[in-house]
Amino acid sequence: GAGVSQTPSNKVTEKGKYVELRCDPISGHTALYWYRQSLGQGPEFLIYFQGTGAADDSGLPNDRFFAVRPEGSVSTLKIQRTERGDSAVYLCASSLTGLDGDTQYFGPGTRLTVL
Amino acid sequence: QKEVEQNSGPLSVPEGAIASLNCTYSDRGSQSFFWYRQYSGKSPELIMSIYSNGDKEDGRFTAQLNKASQYVSLLIRDSQPSDSATYLCAVNGESGTYKYIFGTGTRLKVLA
Repeated sequence: GAGVSQTPSNKVTEKGKYVELRCDPISGHTALYWYRQSLGQGPEFLIYFQGTGAADDSGLPNDRFFAVRPEGSVSTLKIQRTERGDSAVYLCASSLTGLDGDTQYFGPGTRLTVL
Repeated sequence: QKEVEQNSGPLSVPEGAIASLNCTYSDRGSQSFFWYRQYSGKSPELIMSIYSNGDKEDGRFTAQLNKASQYVSLLIRDSQPSDSATYLCAVNGESGTYKYIFGTGTRLKVLA
């Protein structure tokens, strides 16, 4: 079946602009996660959704970052007033239940470059 | 601060040899452990998961877990050039938590 998909695959924007990154999880997966991966680092947790609600947004670096999942499927990560330090690969993952030990499956990522 | 530590490498092994990748974690309550493979420019791909002390084998891969020492490893037997990638160790927290904490990854190079 189809895996996790993310669009766009690449996004180049200018400092101060607003961007939206989209994630379409595996069908039937109730849990959705956003991670950020900088060069040479492992993915860093940003936010976790269980259904439509953000169960844990403790990884969001500041209030410029916001994510939604209005119908419990597709999620959008929104970044306002982008900064050069926001440049990274943004990875989305989904899992069936979100419970302990549940395997997370990753999408191909969106590479964000802020000039 | 919960941490997952890996040697960044590169770890170079000849084709056909055993590659041994190691990971230590700080949260003694961690219950679930995962190894992901990540090719350059690609997303992480699950290789193995392990939840109990001991060894778990899947084809050429063996994951080893020692909770007392807070140590998890991945062995790759008969290494192939196609195994060359970065291997990420991920740990989730105490029972009921979903967040993965990733190490920085170990870059493996299998020399033909």
